[in-house]
Amino acid sequence: AQSVTQPDIHITVSEGASLELRCNYSYGATPYLFWYVQSPGQGLQLLLKYFSGDTLVQGIKGFEAEFKRSQSSFNLRKPSVHWSDAAEYFCAVGENSGGSNYKLTFGKGTLLTVNP
Amino acid sequence: DSGVTQTPKHLITATGQRVTLRCSPRSGDLSVYWYQQSLDQGLQFLIQYYNGEERAKGNILERFSAQQFPDLHSELNLSSLELGDSALYFCASSGYIGYTFGSGTRLTVV
Repeated sequence: AQSVTQPDIHITVSEGASLELRCNYSYGATPYLFWYVQSPGQGLQLLLKYFSGDTLVQGIKGFEAEFKRSQSSFNLRKPSVHWSDAAEYFCAVGENSGGSNYKLTFGKGTLLTVNP
Repeated sequence: DSGVTQTPKHLITATGQRVTLRCSPRSGDLSVYWYQQSLDQGLQFLIQYYNGEERAKGNILERFSAQQFPDLHSELNLSSLELGDSALYFCASSGYIGYTFGSGTRLTVV
């Protein structure tokens, strides 16, 4: 069965500092990988996704992620964090069930705090 | 607006009761998924429907059931509610454009 591990429950960074959120996955086939962000009391917003091709994926809000098959990782990065980036971040792996259908398995999430 | 509509946004009910959560997928999407987000279990996949038929099942309790209607909207029925069922329930839909979540229904069982 697929699984996702986000080793860091809570990360605190200063505004303007760089950010890396870690994600490791377990999946037998080529994975569909996702990063979502959730602000308090809000829904899930897709930051970026990887299906195939270039292993460095660009997303919204200046985020990027790199797929490393050898390390089973899909870490999220941002060169300079803004106070508005404070939120909870979820990594997910998708199990394809045909066409554009897939169920997602999520990690436990990483809560990001941004200090002024 | 993601195009996926969930109603109601908030629901407060007593233990032992039954509730129905509703989801309208994005126009043209045939698949609907239900997820539960709780403090204990995190975000968990419950069930998927594709064009009216159950396609995949996850960690869905026997007290919970779902269906997808001919107009493609879906309902998640939760019965004999317990305090531990308090959670945020998300619906998502997928199609050619991709995978999109609704804003969720927050269920509080008291």
